[in-house]
Formats: sequence, structure tokens, C-alpha cells
Amino acid sequence: AQSVTQLGSHVSVSEGALVLLRCNYSSSVPPYLFWYVQYPNQGLQLLLKYTTGATLVKGINGFEAEFKKSETSFHLTKPSAHMSDAAEYFCAVSGFPSGGSYIPTFGRGTSLIVHP
Amino acid sequence: DVKVTQSSRYLVKRTGEKVFLECVQDMDHENMFWYRQDPGLGLRLIYFSYDVKMKEKGDIPEGYSVSREKKERFSLILESASTNQTSMYLCASSLTAGTGGNEQFFGPGTRLTVL
Repeated sequence: AQSVTQLGSHVSVSEGALVLLRCNYSSSVPPYLFWYVQYPNQGLQLLLKYTTGATLVKGINGFEAEFKKSETSFHLTKPSAHMSDAAEYFCAVSGFPSGGSYIPTFGRGTSLIVHP
Repeated sequence: DVKVTQSSRYLVKRTGEKVFLECVQDMDHENMFWYRQDPGLGLRLIYFSYDVKMKEKGDIPEGYSVSREKKERFSLILESASTNQTSMYLCASSLTAGTGGNEQFFGPGTRLTVL
């Protein structure tokens, strides 16, 4: 079985400050990990993903995440928040096939609020 | 540009009505998914399909059915809509079922209100 925990349903930062969104996962096998972003009234879009290889993954819009196997974590960071980063962020894990298909499990999401 | 489209952005229906939500993808993807999104609960999988005419139940299939007659189209059906099915419905697709590293592509969502 696999699961995802996102710590903090809401994270509030000032514009220009560091963004840190936390994601911990559980998976019985080496996982594939994803971060998606959802802007208001839109569907989700991929920010970045980890499959194999380098554990520091860079994504779009200046975001990056580091896969830490020992901590079972995949936290999302951005050095300097911008007002346009205000959105809902979802972490997802896909590591265990169900009936031969890999079905991702999503966290409950973290709403990022950026103050001027 | 890859695209997943959903038939309606907003839909208002009455209790007991039969509701059809349509999703089309133009990427020749094998997998298609239906989720519902509710505040504080994240995305919950209703059904997914890994091939034409093939479907598997997700975490919350009760009250829903699906149809996939063509590879590019995946329909979600609410046989008799109820107020507790008021939600945002998201369709997604991904390339193949055989690897977990494929990302999903999402449609814009349908906000369904059942009165």
C-alpha cells in the first residue's frame, strides 16, 4: 500500500521569502514521486517528478524537490516566492501496481498563500 | 499542445437526474481517470480505465459508473444524482499502465451542483 501526507493544509509566506511545502510518503517499493499545482478554477499541472537518478529534481517556475529515501520525504521548495505562486499544491506517489496498473495516490493538498 | 477537455465547466442538476460527464484526450493515452475533489480531502479516485471497454473501481465508486467505448473518450455517469455528489470532478489521462513514472494530464474540471 502507498500513502502521502502533506503537512499543513495552508502555508503562508511573504513575497520574496522561501517556500517550503512538506510531503512524506509510504511505499513498499521504490516510489515515483510527483508535485502538481492547481491554480484557481483550473485542473492540475505537473510541476516536477522523480523517477530514478538524481535525487534533486528541478521543475517549472523555479521549484525544486529533493527525494530523501531515509526520511521518506519529497519536500518542495522555491527560494523566493512570487505572488503568482499562490495556488494549491499536491504531492503524489506511484510505486505499487494495482492489478498491473500504477495508480497514483495523492495527498490532501497544501494551499500556498503569498502576502505582498 | 497536449490536451484533456471536459464537456462542461459548470453544471447544475436536480436530485434524481441522470448526469453524464464527458472527457476527451488527444494524446493517444492508454490510461484515463475520474477523480472528485472536495476541500480538505484532496483528490479521490472514482474509476480508471487502462484500455477501451476496460475499467477498474477506485476508492469511491459508489453511485457512479463509467464508459469507455473509444480510446480518447471516458465518460462518468451519475445514475441518480444526489446532493452529496456536489463536487468538482476532474478527468486525467496518462500514457501507459505499465510504469509508474508517467505523469497525469488533467482537464480543467467540471463543478457539479446537485440541488
